[in-house]
Amino acid sequence: GAGVSQTPSNKVTEKGKYVELRCDPISGHTALYWYRQSLGQGPEFLIYFQGTGAADDSGLPNDRFFAVRPEGSVSTLKIQRTERGDSAVYLCASSLNGQGAGETQYFGPGTRLLVL
Amino acid sequence: GESVGLHLPTLSVQEGDNSIINCAYSNSASDYFIWYKQESGKGPQFIIDIRSNMDKRQGQRVTVLLNKTVKHLSLQIAATQPGDSAVYFCAEDAGGTSYGKLTFGQGTILTVHP
Repeated sequence: GAGVSQTPSNKVTEKGKYVELRCDPISGHTALYWYRQSLGQGPEFLIYFQGTGAADDSGLPNDRFFAVRPEGSVSTLKIQRTERGDSAVYLCASSLNGQGAGETQYFGPGTRLLVL
Repeated sequence: GESVGLHLPTLSVQEGDNSIINCAYSNSASDYFIWYKQESGKGPQFIIDIRSNMDKRQGQRVTVLLNKTVKHLSLQIAATQPGDSAVYFCAEDAGGTSYGKLTFGQGTILTVHP
């Protein structure tokens, strides 16, 4: 079946602009995760959704970052007033239930964001 | 040892050799560990996982070893192939109120020479 998909695959924007990154999880997965990966680093957790609600948003770096998942499927990560330091690969993952540790997270290909 | 920024640890092997990639994790409360493989331009791909009540788990050509005493995790790849060339990350899940929030290591670059 189809894996996690993310759009766009690449996004170039100017400092100060607003961007939206989209994630389509694996069908039937109720848990969805966003991570950010800087060059040469491992992914860093941003936010985790269980259904429509954000179960843990402790990784969002500041209030310029916001994510939604209104119908419990597709999620959008929104970044306001982008800064050059926001340049990174934004990864989305999903898992079946998201209830308890030990559930495999399946990752999408990521969106490469470049802020000029 | 650990590196900073772009200087990831590297491992270079010949095709057919066995590879061992090591990882030190940080949280003694972590109860689930995962190895991911990431090829250039792609997202992390699940390889194998292990729970804290185990010390060894085997998959196809891969084995994960967990030493909780020293907080160390290793990935062994048997008969390494050129297609195994990638960056390998270990990740830990602390469970409890932090379940689902994976913490990744910095990664190791594996290069397999034909």
